[in-house]
Amino acid sequence: GENVEQHPSTLSVQEGDSAVIKCTYSDSASNYFPWYKQELGKGPQLIIDIRSNVGEKKDQRIAVTLNKTAKHFSLHITETQPEDSAVYFCAASNTNAGKSTFGDGTTLTVKP
Amino acid sequence: GAGVSQSPRYKVAKRGQDVALRCDPISGHVSLFWYQQALGQGPEFLTYFQNEAQLDKSGLPSDRFFAERPEGSVSTLKIQRTQQEDSAVYLCASSLALSLGVEAFFGQGTRLTVV
Repeated sequence: GENVEQHPSTLSVQEGDSAVIKCTYSDSASNYFPWYKQELGKGPQLIIDIRSNVGEKKDQRIAVTLNKTAKHFSLHITETQPEDSAVYFCAASNTNAGKSTFGDGTTLTVKP
Repeated sequence: GAGVSQSPRYKVAKRGQDVALRCDPISGHVSLFWYQQALGQGPEFLTYFQNEAQLDKSGLPSDRFFAERPEGSVSTLKIQRTQQEDSAVYLCASSLALSLGVEAFFGQGTRLTVV
């Protein structure tokens, strides 16, 4: 089955700096890669996603890159703000299947 | 409602007790997913419904876990004879799409504590 590894497990940055979270996956059949933000006591919320036919996608301060050959994808947050502090999860799935495999999460802390 | 609703939010069960967790998906959403999230870890897939059909239950840990969605809307996850290792947050998500690749919306989860 699919295996997703996520690094780092914790990340602390100063407000205004950039943050990068990296994930690797094992199943070459995976073709959909969402990123979720989870705040304390809440369910995960999709913040950006990318499909395997695209190498990069950007939405305001958030961008995701995908390297299919190396089987890794990354989340980039620029100009971080304190409200970006949360746990971030990457996931990988095959759109022909019903399940996503999640990484173990990255706790991002943005210091004011 | 505006989002996915799960009830109860918190459940404390004595070991050996049966529990039922409810998920009300967003109206009209075809796909419904259940995940188990242990403390400090990512969600782990349990089962997936497309309308009332349970298409994948490969993630259910044992035959003590059972899920249903009889009318293709509300879903219930039932755990029989609960054990301490069942303690976790149980997340439900729904999606408008028949398959992944479209945003899935998660509920706030039910935190189950088995004592």
